[in-house]
Amino acid sequence: IVVTQSPDSLAVSLGERATINCKSSRSVLFNPNNLNYLAWYQHKPGQAPKVLFYWGSTRESGVPDRFSASGSGTDFTLTITSLQAEDVAVYYCQQYLNSLPKFGQGTRVEIK
Amino acid sequence: QVQLQESGPRLVKPSGTLSLTCTVSGGSVNTYYWSWIRQVPGQGLEWIAYIHDTEPANYSPSLRSRVTISLDTSKNQFSLSLASVTTADTATYFCARGGTSSKWFDLWGRGTPVTVSS
Repeated sequence: IVVTQSPDSLAVSLGERATINCKSSRSVLFNPNNLNYLAWYQHKPGQAPKVLFYWGSTRESGVPDRFSASGSGTDFTLTITSLQAEDVAVYYCQQYLNSLPKFGQGTRVEIK
Repeated sequence: QVQLQESGPRLVKPSGTLSLTCTVSGGSVNTYYWSWIRQVPGQGLEWIAYIHDTEPANYSPSLRSRVTISLDTSKNQFSLSLASVTTADTATYFCARGGTSSKWFDLWGRGTPVTVSS
C-alpha cells in the first residue's frame, strides 16, 4: 500500500486553517470492524514524532481540539483550524492495515 | 511513563555495520511490538523492522537482506544491525513502539543521527 500526501509543504498565517491530504493506493478500511487503519503524526525538529490520530479520526489524548482528522477508505484529511506557532512541524500519515507500515512523504507546515 | 532512548555510534564507515540499541524505561518490552524507523535527510519516514517477544521479526523488503532486529528482555532493550552500509544509509534512526498490522506507533524515541562516511 502506497500512501501519498499533498501538498509537500504549506505556509499558513497564524490563526488560519491548514489542510493536509493523504491518499492511500488501496482502501485501509477494514470492513469487519469498520475501522480505518490510518494514523497521523506530528514531527518537530529534534523531538520524537508524536501520534495525533489513529483509526483515521480518533484523537490521541492531549491533542488540542484545533486538530481534526477525517476520511475513510482511501482519502483522508488532517485539519488545523487555527494555526498556532507551536504547530510548525512536519505531519505524516501512515497506514497500518498490513504488517508493512508505510508513511506518506510528509507535509511541512510553516507560518506565512 | 514509558520512554525510549536510542544509543549507538554516530559514525559508521562504508561497508561496515550500523548497530543501534533502544532502551525502554518505565515499562516492559514484553507483549509489545517494537520497531526501528529511519529518516534519510530530506526524505520521509521509512519503517525498517519490528520485533515481538513471541513472534518472528518482520522486515522491510527493501532492507531485509541487510537488517537484523533483536530483543533482549533481560535488559529491556531491542537492537538494530544494518550490514554493508553505504552513504545512502545516512539517516536519523528512531525506535518506536508498534508496527504490526492493527497497531500504530504510539511511542517514539527522539532519534539518533548516524552518518556513513570514511
